[in-house]
Parts: sequence; C-alpha cells; structure tokens
Amino acid sequence: SQTIHQWPATLVQPVGSPLSLECTVEGTSNPNLYWYRQAAGRGLQLLFYSVGIGQISSEVPQNLSASRPQDRQFILSSKKLLLSDSGFYLCAWSVLGGGVGTQYFGPGTRLLVL
Amino acid sequence: DQQVKQNSPSLSVQEGRISILNCDYTNSMFDYFLWYKKYPAEGPTFLISISSIKDKNEDGRFTVFLNKSAKHLSLHIVPSQPGDSAVYFCAATRGTYKYIFGTGTRLKVLA
Repeated sequence: SQTIHQWPATLVQPVGSPLSLECTVEGTSNPNLYWYRQAAGRGLQLLFYSVGIGQISSEVPQNLSASRPQDRQFILSSKKLLLSDSGFYLCAWSVLGGGVGTQYFGPGTRLLVL
Repeated sequence: DQQVKQNSPSLSVQEGRISILNCDYTNSMFDYFLWYKKYPAEGPTFLISISSIKDKNEDGRFTVFLNKSAKHLSLHIVPSQPGDSAVYFCAATRGTYKYIFGTGTRLKVLA
C-alpha cells in the first residue's frame, strides 16, 4: 500500500532563517506531488505541484520554492522565512487514472515563524 | 476568485441525526469532486468522490449528491456519530493535476 511521509512534524523557526520540509511517498511510481498550506482558520491553498522529476509548477508568488530531486521526493524550501509563512504545510500525492485521481495527504508539518 | 465555496463555516448536529454539508462551485468545467475529513494537526483524509457523469455516490454512512445545473454538491452523513466531528473540505478538479479546495466546514456532532 502507499504511504506518504512528512517531516518534521513541528518546526519553530526565527524570521529570516531558511526552511526545508521534506515529503516522500512509498508504494507508487510517477506520482503527482503537491504542497499545500493551511493558514489558521483558512482553507487549503495550493502552493506547488509536480508531475515529474524536476518539473515544478508554482501557484502562488511567494518566498517559497519547491524541488523534486527524485521521483517520490518533494521538498519545500525558503531562503528567508517571513512571519506570514506560519501555517500547516501538507504534502499530497495522486496518480491519474482515466484522467482524474484521488489526492492523498501526508500528516502535515506545523511551522511557526517567530 | 474562490471557485469552490463552503458557505457554512460550522455546523452542529445531534448524534444519530443526519449531517448535511454543502459546497458550491463556479467552474462548470469541473468534472470530479471529492470530500475530505480533517482532524486538527493531521492531514485530510479522503472520504468519498463523485464524477460529473453521476448525481449520487454512496459509501456506507456517506453519500455525496451532485447537482450540476445548480453547481452544488452536498455530503450527507447518516447517522452522525461523535467521531465524525471534524472539518470537512470539498474539492474539485477538471481532469488536470490541480485540485481546488473549499475553505471547510467544521462539523460538531453532539452526544
């Protein structure tokens, strides 16, 4: 069966510090990978998605970036965190079947920027 | 532009009764819809989905209804249980890689 891992589970970082969140998927090949952010009291905002190694689409202009160095690895990064980067970050994967697939989410990383 | 809307931020229902969560969308090109359940500090869990070629899909206590002419879908939970208390998100896609999520409805099932 497929499993998605995210780490760390919780992170407290000072403003201006770098960020690296990692997500890996097991049990599937060529998944589509996604990064979402849920800010306090708000819905899920799509940040990035990737349909293959090295292929990244950005949905929201910001100081975050994403990379996909391996088929089942997705990394969210920042060179300098802002206070507004605080939130709950979710990685998700899907595999298209017949054109549409269900998305499955990881456990999330809670980021607090102070 | 919010293409998927959940206009009720919260809902309280008595245990054993029916919970109805609503979702509206604006893009008529959406062809697949999903419902997710989310507990605090956890990732959303997939519940049920429906293709635009159907108007109803049932899975145990969960039924999703789709009204394409009204661009409206709803999730019915019968009977509601205290463990159903969570935030519910609807999502839509149009056969692409992008899923658009609503802002969520917090369901509280009262024992």
